[in-house]
Amino acid sequence: AQSVTQLGSHVSVSEGALVLLRCNYSSSVPPYLFWYVQYPNQGLQLLLKYTSAATLVKGINGFEAEFKKSETSFHLTKPSAHMSDAAEYFCAVSILTGGGNKLTFGTGTQLKVEL
Amino acid sequence: DTAVSQTPKYLVTQMGNDKSIKCEQNLGHDTMYWYKQDSKKFLKIMFSYNNKELIINETVPNRFSPKSPDKAHLNLHINSLELGDSAVYFCASSQDVGDGYSPLHFGNGTRLTVT
Repeated sequence: AQSVTQLGSHVSVSEGALVLLRCNYSSSVPPYLFWYVQYPNQGLQLLLKYTSAATLVKGINGFEAEFKKSETSFHLTKPSAHMSDAAEYFCAVSILTGGGNKLTFGTGTQLKVEL
Repeated sequence: DTAVSQTPKYLVTQMGNDKSIKCEQNLGHDTMYWYKQDSKKFLKIMFSYNNKELIINETVPNRFSPKSPDKAHLNLHINSLELGDSAVYFCASSQDVGDGYSPLHFGNGTRLTVT
């Protein structure tokens, strides 16, 4: 079965520091991987997705993720954290069904950005 | 122009009651979903519909009954509400192009509290 594991339920960084949120996947076939962000009291918003066209994927708000098959990882990074980045981040893997994508989410990582 | 809208945003009710949550999407997508997010922020798929046809039904108690009158709407009716049903319920939609990459677009959620 395909799944994702997010290491660290809480990550705290200083404003301007590097953000690194970890995600490892388990899949017997090439995975479809996504990162979503959830701001307080809002729905999930797509940050980026892995499409196999390139291993380094750029997303919105300066975020990017690198697909590493040898490490079965898809970690999310941002060079310089901003206060507005404080949110819950979810890694997800998609399973194709007969009608739509069944997204299986990781347990989420709460990012806190401090002054 | 809200892409995926849910009503109500908040729902407080007593055990044993029956309630409904409505969802509408104006993105022209073929597939709609219901996800449940528990108090630990864990997200799990409940149902998906593709062109009004039920595709995914994830071991959800039969007190939960989705209904899709057309492909732009997916409602969730819950009978005999229990304390454990308290959660945030998210509606989402995607355009199924059969490649696994179609991202989900989420509504802002309905916070259900059962007392």
